[in-house]
Amino acid sequence: GEDVEQSLFLSVREGDSSVINCTYTDSSSTYLYWYKQEPGAGLQLLTYIFSNMDMKQDQRLTVLLNKKDKHLSLRIADTQTGDSAIYFCAESRYSSASKIIFGSGTRLSIRP
Amino acid sequence: GAVVSQHPSRVICKSGTSVKIECRSLDFQATTMFWYRQFPKQSLMLMATSNEGSKATYEQGVEKDKFLINHASLTLSTLTVTSAHPEDSSFYICSASITKETQYFGPGTRLLVL
Repeated sequence: GEDVEQSLFLSVREGDSSVINCTYTDSSSTYLYWYKQEPGAGLQLLTYIFSNMDMKQDQRLTVLLNKKDKHLSLRIADTQTGDSAIYFCAESRYSSASKIIFGSGTRLSIRP
Repeated sequence: GAVVSQHPSRVICKSGTSVKIECRSLDFQATTMFWYRQFPKQSLMLMATSNEGSKATYEQGVEKDKFLINHASLTLSTLTVTSAHPEDSSFYICSASITKETQYFGPGTRLLVL
């Protein structure tokens, strides 16, 4: 079946790197996503990666994909207070016309 | 980037009434829109997939007669919660498909049924 798992909480010190991990079970996943949700708001697409890639970098964000282990991670360099949010890992097959399966979300808190 | 709006952002209604939530893609046309619900501190659960001009496809366990979805145009989909009950209180989020890789999400509608 389809399942996406994440740890629920992560606390990092301001200025350090944050690494949020995710595992998924569907080997047919085509697209893997990271979304950010701030309190009371909708989801903001941060980045996505195709399943045939193993890394994608976009400014402070680095996504690593280990397809063999079905493991996805999001690294946020130089974490700032504005990065406090819930981060959702998600996957879908084929196209965005297919449903997206979300993980439970990781709540990232930043300590001074 | 692509903008998706929802209206209203918050709604409080009495038990037994119906509530309509609108989802609009503001600067693009979306042939496919999705409706999710999110309970407090939980993930998003897909309720239905809405294609313009055709009937919505509901996920297992979602009552289609209770959650009416209409996708009348390429920029508007509506979700009507009929005969709402307190257990329908939730955060409802829509998304719109712009390319095959991405969905863009609305800001969500918080529904409270008293």
